[in-house]
Amino acid sequence: GAVVSQHPSWVICKSGTSVKIECRSLDFQATTMFWYRQFPKQSLMLMATSNEGSKATYEQGVEKDKFLINHASLTLSTLTVTSAHPEDSSFYICSAVRYRGTEAFFGQGTRLTVV
Amino acid sequence: GDSVTQMEGPVTLSEEAFLTINCTYTATGYPSLFWYVQYPGEGLQLLLKATKADDKGSNKGFEATYRKETTSFHLEKGSVQVSDSAVYFCALSDLQGAQKLVFGQGTRLTINP
Repeated sequence: GAVVSQHPSWVICKSGTSVKIECRSLDFQATTMFWYRQFPKQSLMLMATSNEGSKATYEQGVEKDKFLINHASLTLSTLTVTSAHPEDSSFYICSAVRYRGTEAFFGQGTRLTVV
Repeated sequence: GDSVTQMEGPVTLSEEAFLTINCTYTATGYPSLFWYVQYPGEGLQLLLKATKADDKGSNKGFEATYRKETTSFHLEKGSVQVSDSAVYFCALSDLQGAQKLVFGQGTRLTINP
């Protein structure tokens, strides 16, 4: 149990286009989902916290208009990178937590390359 | 703010060797500490955790002890296997649960037969 599926696992897009990444909890309801980003040889950095049915909370320095997060149901959160630029190329990974859960379950991550 | 520093990789060992991956942290409160492992093509999986000082987390032959005096949570295994090849992340949470996590940069471990 507690499987989180993230799709796509990798994507290449042209500069200026938008890309949507999906994070699904397959066998549990996730009241909270987190989105992280990892640049090469750096830590996973929290971008935003997403609660079902409410607006996401963004970490300092993360542009909310560029990284649109939607958590419309208890099993799905999406991250849309709008008007992507090469500097947005990174590894994005989500995690999901049950209501009052103490463990985060991670997707397999998405490698985004903007050309 | 809170931060985690872990030893840089990559680390390459022979099978049955002893493994240590160092991890130190800075935190204002009393964090919970975690080790996550990421096998190729998969998501991060919780390997072990410790929630208070002197706690020892263990799983699959791996161990780590929460050392408050040295602010460390080093990962150890007495005899590694090829199947342990993966990327290992040390992390902390300043909440009771593993929700908002602060990660180290990850250490890639390769075990040769």
